[in-house]
Amino acid sequence: EAGVTQSPTHLIKTRGQQATLRCSPISGHTSVYWYQQALGLGLQFLLWYDEGEERNRGNFPPRFSGRQFPNYSSELNVNALELEDSALYLCASRPTSGGGTQYFGPGTRLLVL
Amino acid sequence: GQNIDQPTEMTATEGAIVQINCTYQTSGFNGLFWYQQHAGEAPTFLSYNVLDGLEEKGRFSSFLSRSKGYSYLLLKELQMKDSASYLCAVQAPGTYKYIFGTGTRLKVLA
Repeated sequence: EAGVTQSPTHLIKTRGQQATLRCSPISGHTSVYWYQQALGLGLQFLLWYDEGEERNRGNFPPRFSGRQFPNYSSELNVNALELEDSALYLCASRPTSGGGTQYFGPGTRLLVL
Repeated sequence: GQNIDQPTEMTATEGAIVQINCTYQTSGFNGLFWYQQHAGEAPTFLSYNVLDGLEEKGRFSSFLSRSKGYSYLLLKELQMKDSASYLCAVQAPGTYKYIFGTGTRLKVLA
């Protein structure tokens, strides 16, 4: 069974630009989560999607947004990039039933110059 | 509010036992997870506790006391490959939203 996949693995942008990060969940998982992990910090919850809808969002400005597609894959968009957006962005998926365990993808490392 | 506390860093010797503590203050509770994260890699699931007591999985065990808002992860027969960050996460009640601690960086020395 394939795990959670994310693309790209690395992304370099300049301040003010926009970044788009993509995530494909494990087959059969309908929930997708996005987290930001800045260097030396813990995982900060960004967004949670389930069945195509946004279920919850963390304490991040509106320039962080996303969506979930009918095939349950997801996209995270970050507009007007700032230097402090440089971080590892992790996507996790969770099955619809069978408990709350999340399975993480390898992450996208975003560097804003 | 929700707050999770873990020690920032711990050091232990190969072959030894180490206990990583996690305390949480949340407005409710629906389960506690432990994840392992090697540097530059994704977190991987280790254990899940929803009831009080000890859950054992090979060299790793996790304990939960809901009344005390306390959990620990016990690693036995430490190996060099156990050097990693260990993340404690609480599932908020009535939802599938998770709050993560900042993680404990464990260094295993030869």
